[in-house]
Amino acid sequence: GNSVTQMEGPVTLSEEAFLTINCTYTATGYPSLFWYVQYPGEGLQLLLKATKADDKGSNKGFEATYRKETTSFHLEKGSVQVSDSAVYFCALSEWDNNDMRFGAGTRLTVKP
Amino acid sequence: GAGVSQSPSNKVTEKGKDVELRCDPISGHTALYWYRQRLGQGLEFLIYFQGNSAPDKSGLPSDRFSAERTGESVSTLTIQRTQQEDSAVYLCASSWGLAQNGELFFGEGSRLTVL
Repeated sequence: GNSVTQMEGPVTLSEEAFLTINCTYTATGYPSLFWYVQYPGEGLQLLLKATKADDKGSNKGFEATYRKETTSFHLEKGSVQVSDSAVYFCALSEWDNNDMRFGAGTRLTVKP
Repeated sequence: GAGVSQSPSNKVTEKGKDVELRCDPISGHTALYWYRQRLGQGLEFLIYFQGNSAPDKSGLPSDRFSAERTGESVSTLTIQRTQQEDSAVYLCASSWGLAQNGELFFGEGSRLTVL
């Protein structure tokens, strides 16, 4: 079945450090891929998405590229800020079903 | 309100009791999802409603779990004869259409603790 695996956390970085959170997926078809973020005390919200191979999603300085050959959708940011501290979820959804599959989440803490 | 609203935010119950969790989606959203998140784990799909179509119940873990939605409004998730393994955060999300289009809007969740 379809599934998402993302790197385990927690991840602790200093401000302005480079961030990578790995995400790989298993799917039978051609899924859309997403990163959601949950800030403290808030609900999950969409951060970025990519709907086909080689697409790059970007938002708020974060980027992720849909790599079909490696079945990956790694999240990157060149310079993190304290305000980026949150839990990040990788997710996928395919055209032939209605559910969005989520990874376990990776908690990021950025220290000043 | 502007977002997805869930109640109660916290619920502590005794094993064997029934609980009901409520979700108010964003007005006009035709799709509504329920997920469960156990501690340290990802979101587990439970059930999906789309307009007046029959719901996709494929994620419900047992017949103790049921959910209803009237039209495109409020949904309730009911857990009968609760067990300790039901302890989790139950998340509701709504959207304009199918998950493939990307943006699900989530509530803050209902944390259920079964003693």
